[in-house]
This record gives sequence, structure tokens and C-alpha cells, in this order.
Amino acid sequence: EVQLLESGGALVQPGGSLRVSCAASGFTFSSYAMSWVRQGPGRGLEWVSTVSDDGGTTYYADSVKGRFTISRDNSKNTLYLQMNSLRAEDTAIYYCIEGYYFDYWGQGTLVTVSS
Amino acid sequence: DIQLTQSPSSLSASVGDRVTITCRASQGIRNDLGWYQQKPGKAPKRLIYRASTLHGGVPSRFSGSGSGTEFTLTISSLQPEDFATYYCLQHNSYPRAFGQGTKVEIK
Repeated sequence: EVQLLESGGALVQPGGSLRVSCAASGFTFSSYAMSWVRQGPGRGLEWVSTVSDDGGTTYYADSVKGRFTISRDNSKNTLYLQMNSLRAEDTAIYYCIEGYYFDYWGQGTLVTVSS
Repeated sequence: DIQLTQSPSSLSASVGDRVTITCRASQGIRNDLGWYQQKPGKAPKRLIYRASTLHGGVPSRFSGSGSGTEFTLTISSLQPEDFATYYCLQHNSYPRAFGQGTKVEIK
């Protein structure tokens, strides 16, 4: 059974940094692209970033480019999202997702950016 | 960038009704489209990928069709557990894009 467990969500001040993680199990992590999608309060889904199976290729939404960095450690079956220069509009639940076709989703971790 | 437009944004329906949701892409995306269901307070779940392939374990009352720029999600006989918000997603190119969502409510 595929399991994706996000962690690291917190209350952060504007301009601050945070790293969220996603521990994966139940599938061969190193064989799948992984992504982050977020959902602001009362809002729809917004794709944030995707990393290839080997970590060599990354993609970002314009809204986070230059501020967020996606990475993975295939030896630890873990996906990361480093978020810098956080803004109020980054407040959201961040979901970790497995696969090119967004096959399975974690339960999400809440990031709140507020002073 | 490819944009997706879903319609309607919300609908009211009764148990047993046939429900159809449409997703239009701003340019052709072959069959590179998925559908997701989200219930309040829960993470989204995939229903369909490649426009018409049912995700494992998804009831057969759900079906998807379309290619190019126009796609539909159909629920053949709405069940109580189907009241939720539905999103389409294009996985043809980056940046990935979701539709704005369709909320299916009880009439």
C-alpha cells in the first residue's frame, strides 16, 4: 500500500524559511517522479513543483520559482520542499504526490505564513 | 501555458442522477488529463487518468471521455458518497494546471 506522510508544516513569519518533508513507503520510490501541490484556505488546487525520479530534473510554478526548491533523497525514500522568502499567499496545505499521473496523495501538511 | 476551464463551477443533484462535468483545455493536450475527487477536509484522490482510464478501485459509475481540448467526467448514477468537489488536471506539459473545481451538492 502506497503511503505518503508529510511533515514539517508550521507557523512562519513573512520572509521566513521552512522545509517540509514527505516520507514515502509501499512503492519503489526511486522509480517515480514526485510532486508538491498546495491548497490555500477555501481555494482550489495549485501545482507547485515536480522532480524526476532521479532528482536530476525539476519544474516549478512561476509563483514559487526562485524561492522554493524541490529535492529528494532516494536512499531515504523522502521528498523535500525547501521554502524561502515566504509570503502570506503561500499559506496552504501542501500535499506530496507520487507519480507522473499524480497517482497517490498524502494527507498534507499545513504551512501558515503570518506575523 | 495551458489553462483548464471547468464547468459548471457547482451543481445540485439528487441521488441516482446522471452528472456530467466538462473540462476544456486552452490548447490540445491529446488525452493527457486526469480527474480527482476531494471531500471536505480530505486529500484529493485520483479517479481517472489518460482521460478515460479508471484508477484501481474506483467504482464503474465513474467514466471519463474526450481528447484534444474537451473532456468530460460522468457519474452515471450519483451516490451519497459522491458529493464532493471534482478537479481536472492536465499532465501534458509543464506547468501542470488544475481546473478550478466543480462542487457537487445535494439537491
